[in-house]
Amino acid sequence: DAGITQSPRHKVTETGTPVTLRCHQTENHRYMYWYRQDPGHGLRLIHYSYGVKDTDKGEVSDGYSVSRSKTEDFLLTLESATSSQTSVYFCAITGTGGYTEAFFGQGTRLTVV
Amino acid sequence: GNSVTQMEGPVTLSEEAFLTINCTYTATGYPSLFWYVQYPGEGLQLLLKATKADDKGSNKGFEATYRKETTSFHLEKGSVQVSDSAVYFCALSDENFNKFYFGSGTKLNVKP
Repeated sequence: DAGITQSPRHKVTETGTPVTLRCHQTENHRYMYWYRQDPGHGLRLIHYSYGVKDTDKGEVSDGYSVSRSKTEDFLLTLESATSSQTSVYFCAITGTGGYTEAFFGQGTRLTVV
Repeated sequence: GNSVTQMEGPVTLSEEAFLTINCTYTATGYPSLFWYVQYPGEGLQLLLKATKADDKGSNKGFEATYRKETTSFHLEKGSVQVSDSAVYFCALSDENFNKFYFGSGTKLNVKP
């Protein structure tokens, strides 16, 4: 299994509070992604990173920011959590040079009350 | 733009039945195609992949063929088991493998 760890695995937070989710990889892969999974929508890309300090928006980036200061860590921040951000969040990584598939973390279940 | 469309579920089958889950895609260039499986409470795992037209990906009795002429990558299995109950996602990646695009997922329920 690819070395991807997400933390926390579960979190309940109140509306309006900031929340940071962490993704840590031990594979030294270049690309890292944050997705959210909601019933009927499959996986939707929030943000992705193609290198240290290089990030770009996905299709549902509003209300989220990311940072990547080291190859192994990719942080997702909800600046002011809303109930619509209640979801399961997945981190994924891909490499280059033949590492063509995406590897996923176990997910973080976030509930905003 | 790139997108993936897969059949809606849930799909309910009896054990040993034949499975087909349809997947079609829209893409520019030459994407790679994937099927991922998600068991309850877990992340997605790669089931199989195909990187060019006419390639057949296979794993654990599942198969899918990359059909460029019909822009399809349908998942098949000849005889499903209860343990195959999961959600299946079709996906494509662009030529540089920079971005992945996922279908909405199809839940499969297999009854004994």
